[in-house]
Amino acid sequence: DQQVKQNSPSLSVQEGRISILNCDYTNSMFDYFLWYKKYPAEGPTFLISISSIKDKNEDGRFTVFLNKSAKHLSLHIVPSQPGDSAVYFCAASASGSARQLTFGSGTQLTVLP
Amino acid sequence: DAGITQSPRHKVTETGTPVTLRCHQTENHRYMYWYRQDPGHGLRLIHYSYGVKDTDKGEVSDGYSVSRSKTEDFLLTLESATSSQTSVYFCAIRETGYGYTFGSGTRLTVV
Repeated sequence: DQQVKQNSPSLSVQEGRISILNCDYTNSMFDYFLWYKKYPAEGPTFLISISSIKDKNEDGRFTVFLNKSAKHLSLHIVPSQPGDSAVYFCAASASGSARQLTFGSGTQLTVLP
Repeated sequence: DAGITQSPRHKVTETGTPVTLRCHQTENHRYMYWYRQDPGHGLRLIHYSYGVKDTDKGEVSDGYSVSRSKTEDFLLTLESATSSQTSVYFCAIRETGYGYTFGSGTRLTVV
């Protein structure tokens, strides 16, 4: 059973508009959440994270929102740029067990010029 | 940034043969991880290590073993490769905080 779910395999947006990527989780022990970005033939790279004690974290064009009651987080990219086209993975971890990251299945974002 | 390299980058092997993938870090980070990436599954944890000779299983450990005899090297071995182990394998280290830094991956094809 997947503990972290990304239900949209793909998303297309126009350059300059907002991209919203969604992620749901089931394990209430998760207390730290991350987004990774992956280009083809490269390893995933860290994008932004949020602790469960917060509901929002912002870094430039990227903002992550956390709704603990709904067990839902989202990544907003504003404005979207063609270079943002990549696969985005949501990940979560709980204290203990070497802080293993559990990943979602990913969303392919395509930003159209 | 920590240096993390994986070798080989690509490998084709035959069913039933043993295969070893190597992950090397240039700093003394304690935690190292092996993941596999498959379409529709994202990244799934195979094994991880929390120190020299200290390893534990992840979500999809069947058919895999690991070894860590030095801090800088974490080896993943497929004892007898099967077609279901065709995948892209990523090694990761945990530097600071709770995020990981990933290597560039090894694309393994079992024919």
